Amino acid sequence: EAGVAQSPRYKIIEKRQSVAFWCNPISGHATLYWYQQILGQGPKLLIQFQNNGVVDDSQLPKDRFSAERLKGVDSTLKIQPAKLEDSAVYLCASSPSGTPTGELFFGEGSRLTVL
Amino acid sequence: AQSVTQPDIHITVSEGASLELRCNYSYGATPYLFWYVQSPGQGLQLLLKYFSGDTLVQGIKGFEAEFKRSQSSFNLRKPSVHWSDAAEYFCAVVPLGGSYIPTFGRGTSLIVHP
Repeated sequence: EAGVAQSPRYKIIEKRQSVAFWCNPISGHATLYWYQQILGQGPKLLIQFQNNGVVDDSQLPKDRFSAERLKGVDSTLKIQPAKLEDSAVYLCASSPSGTPTGELFFGEGSRLTVL
Repeated sequence: AQSVTQPDIHITVSEGASLELRCNYSYGATPYLFWYVQSPGQGLQLLLKYFSGDTLVQGIKGFEAEFKRSQSSFNLRKPSVHWSDAAEYFCAVVPLGGSYIPTFGRGTSLIVHP
């Protein structure tokens, strides 16, 4: 079974530029999450999707971050314009359909460096 | 306020020594509890989980964790550490009900000396 796929693995941009990250969850997983992991910290939730609907985006900085999951499968996270403090690893995770437990399956992450 | 705490930022052990990583939580009711491991440049991998029942939980790679309700703790243990266990370890809690969204501790970095 293929795992959670993310791309690109690494991205370096200047501040005020834009960037997009892509995630394809494990086949059949209805719930998809984007987490931000700043160096030395634990992952922090940005947004949770259930199929193509947003469940929780309360911690997403909506003035610069956006995310979509139009067909309920893969998802894109965009940052525009980027700030220095957005330098982090962006982790995508998915969880199976059915009774929720909070157990997540993670991709390898997309490391963003903002100069 | 609800929180999950990993009090140790770094832990250094010798290869072959035993290991205990601490995790404490502050929630109204016992949440679901998880430990994940993150090797450099990788995503997080589930080591073990606790939902209910037996308070000693076995996981992958020889790890185990013990849930102690009286101490609101879920500490991770391994009797004999291998050099390949060097990684970042995260405790996560999931409050029951609601959206089942995990909240992660800040992590503990494990350094293994030969």
